[in-house]
This record gives sequence, structure tokens and C-alpha cells, in this order.
Amino acid sequence: GAVVSQHPSWVICKSGTSVKIECRSLDFQATTMFWYRQFPKQSLMLMATSNEGSKATYEQGVEKDKFLINHASLTLSTLTVTSAHPEDSSFYICSARDPVVNYGYTFGSGTRLTVV
Amino acid sequence: GNSVTQMEGPVTLSEEAFLTINCTYTATGYPSLFWYVQYPGEGLQLLLKATKADDKGSNKVFEATYRKETTSFHLEKGSVQVSDSAVYFCALSDRGGATNKLIFGTGTLLAVQP
Repeated sequence: GAVVSQHPSWVICKSGTSVKIECRSLDFQATTMFWYRQFPKQSLMLMATSNEGSKATYEQGVEKDKFLINHASLTLSTLTVTSAHPEDSSFYICSARDPVVNYGYTFGSGTRLTVV
Repeated sequence: GNSVTQMEGPVTLSEEAFLTINCTYTATGYPSLFWYVQYPGEGLQLLLKATKADDKGSNKVFEATYRKETTSFHLEKGSVQVSDSAVYFCALSDRGGATNKLIFGTGTLLAVQP
């Protein structure tokens, strides 16, 4: 199947700073990518759908100005957590439609963000 | 709206025990259904999928049957191993939606003891 590379795998930042997380599709083009946030009790919350060349579609309750998503090319989507606070500490995961597996989705390995 | 409900964990089993993790869904139309597995500190890996009613998704050791009448997609494995310890997620994709986004259940932690 297709591979999605997510970077960094973990990051620690100070309160008030911004952090950028990258999600790259390897060997395939992803016109749509998805960003999830995983809470401590395991549940995955879809934050937004990232569309190449256009604005992201955010789920209800997700702050657009807080979580900036850019999908400037067919192989790269970025999530920037702006003015991070400790409550933003979480595990963030991106995914894309798998072009090989019909109806499939492939996921990045996730980014553990800790805001201190 | 669409949703997925999974049995709460943790599920603790001894090696070679039979595994069932229940999953039911609510959806309009005919969603595709998935099971994903997440090992500690990693992203999600597709375990199996089913795209229409009565389909049996399988990866040779795990299987789940798409039951439209009971809106269920329970995951089963005949004999678990310690290496199966992970979090398992049931998910659906509304194929009628514009972007076919995945909706996940809350995940079920499986712990297999030797």
C-alpha cells in the first residue's frame, strides 16, 4: 500500500510558540488529507480535511486560527499549532486516501506534541 | 449523523483465547466499514475492510462481517497472541459524502497475557 510520512514524530515546545507538523504522501498524490487528534483515552477526533489548493474544511468546534492547515502541493499538507498551550498537548495523526487499496486510507505514524 | 460505537476496554485475554470486539454503527446510506490497529506510539494500520452488506473482511487471521440488519461489524480472531496487544479501532466511511472522511469509534485496548 501507499505510505504517508509524518514529521516530526515528537516535539516539545514552550507555551506561546507555534509548531508545524508535516504530512507527506510518498509515491502517490493526495488531493485530500485528513488531520486527526487523539485524546488520552484513545479516541480519534477528525479535526479537518485538507484540500490541495484550497482552504481546509474544519470540523465543528475546531479553531481555524489555532490549527492552521496548508495543502500547497499534491504531496504535502502541514498543520501548524499556533500559540500553543499545554491543553494542545496531544497525539496528532494525518491520513490520506490510499490509491492502491480500494476505499482504503493510509495513516502517518503520528506526532506527539507536548507543550510546556 | 454517522457514528461508530465500540465496546469499552480494556479487554484482557490469555494467549490462544478467542477474541471478539463489538462494533455497531449508525449511518445513512451504505458506508464502508474498517478495522484499524494501533500499536503503542505508532499510527494506524488497516486490518481489514468491507464495502457492502454481508461482505466478510479478512486479513487471514482477523475477520469481521458487515451485517446490515444489525448494523454491526464485530472483529474476531480465533486465537490471540501476545503480539496482538494493541488498540483496535472500528471506523466507517460514508461513500456518499464529498470527501469520504473516516469516522472512528473510541478504540478498544486489547491486552493479551502469556
